[in-house]
Amino acid sequence: NAGVIQTPRHKVTGKGQEATLWCEPISGHSAVFWYRQTIVQGLEFLTYFRNQAPIDDSGMPKERFSAQMPNQSHSTLKIQSTQPQDSAVYLCASSLEQQISNERLFFGHGTKLSVL
Amino acid sequence: AQKVTQTQTSISVMEKTTVTMDCVYETQDSSYFLFWYKQTASGEIVFLIRQDSYKKENATVGHYSLNFQKPKSSIGLIITATQIEDSAVYFCAMRYTNAYKVIFGKGTHLHVLP
Repeated sequence: NAGVIQTPRHKVTGKGQEATLWCEPISGHSAVFWYRQTIVQGLEFLTYFRNQAPIDDSGMPKERFSAQMPNQSHSTLKIQSTQPQDSAVYLCASSLEQQISNERLFFGHGTKLSVL
Repeated sequence: AQKVTQTQTSISVMEKTTVTMDCVYETQDSSYFLFWYKQTASGEIVFLIRQDSYKKENATVGHYSLNFQKPKSSIGLIITATQIEDSAVYFCAMRYTNAYKVIFGKGTHLHVLP
């Protein structure tokens, strides 16, 4: 079990460019979360998928950010027209989801996005 | 609205002593789950321990235990016999039953000194 795999580990983009971040959840996990981590804001929830369906995107900035989960083995977070304030570590996590929400999250190592 | 607050930004303790990290949460739900996670210097975040709101007994795993005070909406993490490798950032988190998002506090940086 390789754990949650995120690629790339580091990404540098110029202002206005697009960034696509990839996440491969643990096999058999039905829930995928995306978080953004900064010094100031801490761990901010972005979005949540369950069985590949988008369930809660209440944390996603309304413009420029989008997330997809085209199959059970990967999810992507896309940021269009990146801005310096998008610089952060983007973390993907997965979990087994059963009837109650007490399952732990397994985190990837994150993608550090730097927008110049 | 859900909110998790960790007021201690940084704590330093001597090795082999006991430390308690505080966490308070806001909830309108009667059933919820509380978690503690640890982020090491490499950035890796790992789960440590969980408390279910309907359980009165404090959870314990290894040298981690919880001080759950439901009337005060408080869930403290206690680490006994601290080791140098316990130095990390510790996050408290909460999730309502049948809810989706997991809300995290801003973390407490623990420094264990030799």
